[in-house]
Amino acid sequence: NAGVTQTPKFRVLKTGQSMTLLCAQDMNHEYMYWYRQDPGMGLRLIHYSVGEGTTAKGEVPDGYNVSRLKKQNFLLGLESAAPSQTSVYFCASRRLADSYEQYFGPGTRLTVT
Amino acid sequence: GIQVEQSPPDLILQEGANSTLRCNFSDSVNNLQWFHQNPWGQLINLFYIPSGTKQNGRLSATTVATERYSLLYISSSQTTDSGVYFCAVPGAGGTSYGKLTFGQGTILTVHP
Repeated sequence: NAGVTQTPKFRVLKTGQSMTLLCAQDMNHEYMYWYRQDPGMGLRLIHYSVGEGTTAKGEVPDGYNVSRLKKQNFLLGLESAAPSQTSVYFCASRRLADSYEQYFGPGTRLTVT
Repeated sequence: GIQVEQSPPDLILQEGANSTLRCNFSDSVNNLQWFHQNPWGQLINLFYIPSGTKQNGRLSATTVATERYSLLYISSSQTTDSGVYFCAVPGAGGTSYGKLTFGQGTILTVHP
C-alpha cells in the first residue's frame, strides 16, 4: 500500500494563478482532510470530506475549493492564488468506523510570489 | 473549541539523554495522536493512544484521559530524533467529523 500520496511535492505560483493539489489514498478510507501548516504552527483544517461527493468547510476555507468525485481522491483548488496561501499543505484520511486515527501524506510545499 | 498545549516549546539534548514531552488538552477526548515532523517536513505517526500506555522501541506514550494530559517519553535519544513533536486530538462527531486540533509542538534538537 502506498498509503496517502500527494501531487505535486513542490510548486511556485505567481499571484492570481490557479492550481489543483491532488491527494490519493489506497486504504479505502471514507474521511479525507486538507490541512495547511504555517511556520511555527501546528496544522489547521481547510476542508474535509466524509464520503464520495460530499465536502465541508473547516477552520480556514477562504480562497480554496475542494472536490471528492472518487472515494480515493480529494482535490484542493486555488482559483486565484495569494501570497497568504504560501504554506505546506497536508492531506489526511481515516476510516469511518470506531477509529479517529488519521494518516497523513508527505505534504506539498507551495510558494506564491 | 478544544485547546491543546504542549510543553516545553523547545528542548535541547545530548545524544543518549532521556526526555519527557507533555500535552495538555482542555476537554475530554476519546483519542490522541502523537506525531514526529522530521527536518524534511514529513509527518510520521508515532502513537494513536486514547488511554493507557504504549511503547514502540525507545519511545513510549501515556495518556490519562481523566486528567486531560498525555506524555511522550524518548529514551536514549539519537540525532535522528530531532524535529518537531506534535500531539493532536479530534473533535467527536457533530460538525467536527474527527478533525484534529494540533498543539503548537515541541522542537527537539539532539546534539551528537
